[in-house]
Amino acid sequence: EAGVTQFPSHSVIEKGQTVTLRCDPISGHDNLYWYRRVMGKEIKFLLHFVKESKQDESGMPNNRFLAERTGGTYSTLKVQPAELEDSGVYFCASSQMDTEAFFGQGTRLTVV
Amino acid sequence: AQKVTQAQTEISVVEKEDVTLDCVYETRDTTYYLFWYKQPPSGELVFLIRRNSFDEQNEISGRYSWNFQKSTSSFNFTITASQVVDSAVYFCALWDSNYQLIWGAGTKLIIKP
Repeated sequence: EAGVTQFPSHSVIEKGQTVTLRCDPISGHDNLYWYRRVMGKEIKFLLHFVKESKQDESGMPNNRFLAERTGGTYSTLKVQPAELEDSGVYFCASSQMDTEAFFGQGTRLTVV
Repeated sequence: AQKVTQAQTEISVVEKEDVTLDCVYETRDTTYYLFWYKQPPSGELVFLIRRNSFDEQNEISGRYSWNFQKSTSSFNFTITASQVVDSAVYFCALWDSNYQLIWGAGTKLIIKP
């Protein structure tokens, strides 16, 4: 069974550009989460989808971040325009209700 | 407030030594889950264990063991006879009623040959 996959694994962009991260959850997992770890800091929750609906987006840092989950399958996280402080590792996870979350390998975003 | 504290930023031991990684949590929920994840140098987060708040039994899996004590709000992780391949960053996390994982800052474990 395929795990959670994230694309790209690494992205380097200039400040002001747009980047879109993609996450493909494990098939059948209704819950999808985005987390990020900014350099040297803790992993922080960004948002939670249940199927295609945003259950909780309280962790989204500002309106430069937009997450979508088309048809309750894969999800994208767009940063527009990117700023230097957005650099970090973005993790996606999926789970069935009340089970552990399985994580993707993360996308390392570097904004220069 | 919900919080997870991993006070040990970095631990360095020689191979074959036992090592314990501390995790202390705070939560107002009566039902919650605690997790440990491993992040090897390759970067992915690897699930190690999940424990729910009603199950205080300690768990052993090979060289890994976990000690959950609600009285002290701790969920410590011990590696027995450590190996170089155990070198990684280890995260403790709390799964709360809002379906969010609250993460500790992580402990970087270095196992020297």
